[in-house]
Amino acid sequence: GEDVEQSLFLSVREGDSSVINCTYTDSSSTYLYWYKQEPGAGLQLLTYIFSNMDMKQDQRLTVLLNKKDKHLSLRIADTQTGDSAIYFCAESPSDDKIIFGKGTRLHILP
Amino acid sequence: NAGVTQTPKFRILKIGQSMTLQCAQDMNHNYMYWYRQDPGMGLKLIYYSVGAGITDKGEVPNGYNVSRSTTEDFPLRLELAAPSQTSVYFCASRPPGNSNQPQHFGDGTRLSIL
Repeated sequence: GEDVEQSLFLSVREGDSSVINCTYTDSSSTYLYWYKQEPGAGLQLLTYIFSNMDMKQDQRLTVLLNKKDKHLSLRIADTQTGDSAIYFCAESPSDDKIIFGKGTRLHILP
Repeated sequence: NAGVTQTPKFRILKIGQSMTLQCAQDMNHNYMYWYRQDPGMGLKLIYYSVGAGITDKGEVPNGYNVSRSTTEDFPLRLELAAPSQTSVYFCASRPPGNSNQPQHFGDGTRLSIL
């Protein structure tokens, strides 16, 4: 079946790196995504990675993909207070469907 | 472009009342989706549509109905509101074709059933 798992909470000190982990089940997913949800808003796409890549870097964001273990991670370098949000991992097993994890709430400590 | 617009932003209903949550997109996207988000539960897909005139059930369709008479609009209807339908509802749209196209989300409708 299709399932995406991620931990619900993460606390990180300001300036440190945040690493949010995710596991997924559908090996046919061509793309894997990270979405960010700020309070009172909808989800916004942060970044995505094609399944034949193992790493993608975009400024402070680094996505690592281990296709063998079906493990995806999002690293945020130099975490800022504005990074406080819920981060959703998602896979796309078909063109018409995206499966979301339950979201990881990132809390920034001063 | 306004993107995905949801109305209303907030609503309180009594048990047994009905209402329609509106969703409109101006990006000419074929695919549209309705999700509900409960605390700590992530997003659950209610219904989706791959184009005008076509709708399909998602993971939690019971108690809801949808229609897709135009490409732009995808309303979600609650016929007999129940407390279990208290949630935040998100509409999303996506162009067809490559799976790398992200879903664009509205800002949500916060619905309370009392």
